Amino acid sequence: DAKTTQPTSMDCAEGRAANLPCNHSTISGNEYVYWYRQIHSQGPQYIIHGLKNNETNEMASLIITEDRKSSTLILPHATLRDTAVYYCIVRAPHNFNKFYFGSGTKLNVKP
Amino acid sequence: DTAVSQTPKYLVTQMGNDKSIKCEQNLGHDTMYWYKQDSKKFLKIMFSYNNKELIINETVPNRFSPKSPDKAHLNLHINSLELGDSAVYFCASSQEGSASTGELFFGEGSRLTVL
Repeated sequence: DAKTTQPTSMDCAEGRAANLPCNHSTISGNEYVYWYRQIHSQGPQYIIHGLKNNETNEMASLIITEDRKSSTLILPHATLRDTAVYYCIVRAPHNFNKFYFGSGTKLNVKP
Repeated sequence: DTAVSQTPKYLVTQMGNDKSIKCEQNLGHDTMYWYKQDSKKFLKIMFSYNNKELIINETVPNRFSPKSPDKAHLNLHINSLELGDSAVYFCASSQEGSASTGELFFGEGSRLTVL
């Protein structure tokens, strides 16, 4: 089942950076870290993923510690539309390994 | 074009009825999934199909029968609906080949209400 630990909820002021932490201390060498978010009751949306290097795309940045036991998703300038539940998942791609969604972090972006 | 589309988006029905939810993906992915999100908002995998073959079955009751006519479609048929089946059902797809890192793409969900 879910192999990650995330805070239940976080608040962030609009326009500020949102830093969402995730612990995955039992991550295996071939497992990637994926981040998804779910806005209200919409389908979960892929954000970013990484193996060991830090990654950045148009939505966010992913910082993975050198020992890979934790990571942080950074939304550089949070907007009200970023209010959502954010899920951190570890998974080895291929071999039809399952994506297990835990309870995630509810990010509340406030004006 | 919607990448992963599900129909219907809303379904209200009586206990004991049989209903189906359809899913189609136009991403060319080889693997499709059904997830269930209950009232407590936990998202749980139910089934996974790869190239029309069942790969994952998470001890879902036999009343749930997925069918994959081709790798772009994965339908979910539910017999003898029960109150506890009320949930939002999400279809998803991914590419599981060795050249891919296997991100999941989700549909918008089908909200099933059993009365």
